[in-house]
Amino acid sequence: EPEVTQTPSHQVTQMGQEVILRCVPISNHLYFYWYRQILGQKVEFLVSFYNNEISEKSEIFDDQFSVERPDGSNFTLKIRSTKLEDSAMYFCASASDPKPEAFFGQGTRLTVV
Amino acid sequence: AQTVTQSQPEMSVQEAETVTLSCTYDTSENNYYLFWYKQPPSRQMILVIRQEAYKQQNATENRFSVNFQKAAKSFSLKISDSQLGDTAMYFCASPYGNKLVFGAGTILRVKS
Repeated sequence: EPEVTQTPSHQVTQMGQEVILRCVPISNHLYFYWYRQILGQKVEFLVSFYNNEISEKSEIFDDQFSVERPDGSNFTLKIRSTKLEDSAMYFCASASDPKPEAFFGQGTRLTVV
Repeated sequence: AQTVTQSQPEMSVQEAETVTLSCTYDTSENNYYLFWYKQPPSRQMILVIRQEAYKQQNATENRFSVNFQKAAKSFSLKISDSQLGDTAMYFCASPYGNKLVFGAGTILRVKS
């Protein structure tokens, strides 16, 4: 069964460093998402991406964040200068149509120290 | 703003018993899906069941079923014959535009 794959599963980084979280969506999907879950809290929407551009972003998704689909298969989330409060589980998701019946990856646990 | 409310922060159930997790939502969409996701300790998000809002029949997936009340905007999850492996956080999710809005989650503990 097709699945969304995220790497790495766990990343530890120092405050102020740049991190790139990687995702390989399901191959025929066109809509891509990043969500975030701070430990013990709800899952929050960060950004959606369609047709090589951001279609929607939340207030959380400030100038420190960017997304890219560099090669037609990968979908990345970059955090330019990490802060302690960026520590969270980051989920990539993809969908085949605008109804967000999204399939989630297994998540990347980001720890900023 | 779109809201999804799960009023039960934690629930417990004996193995083999039935438990119902509640969820209410608010949407202006006309045609939409609703979802329940399971998040075990590994923190992976696993789709449990989906309901198409234009379908009156409640969705069922093996031991999991929903009670969908569209007029009341209620979408509860029933787990029958609970198993120890059902212990997890459960999130209800509703669409808002092209994204999902999640409830705060219900921690379900299945006791032997």
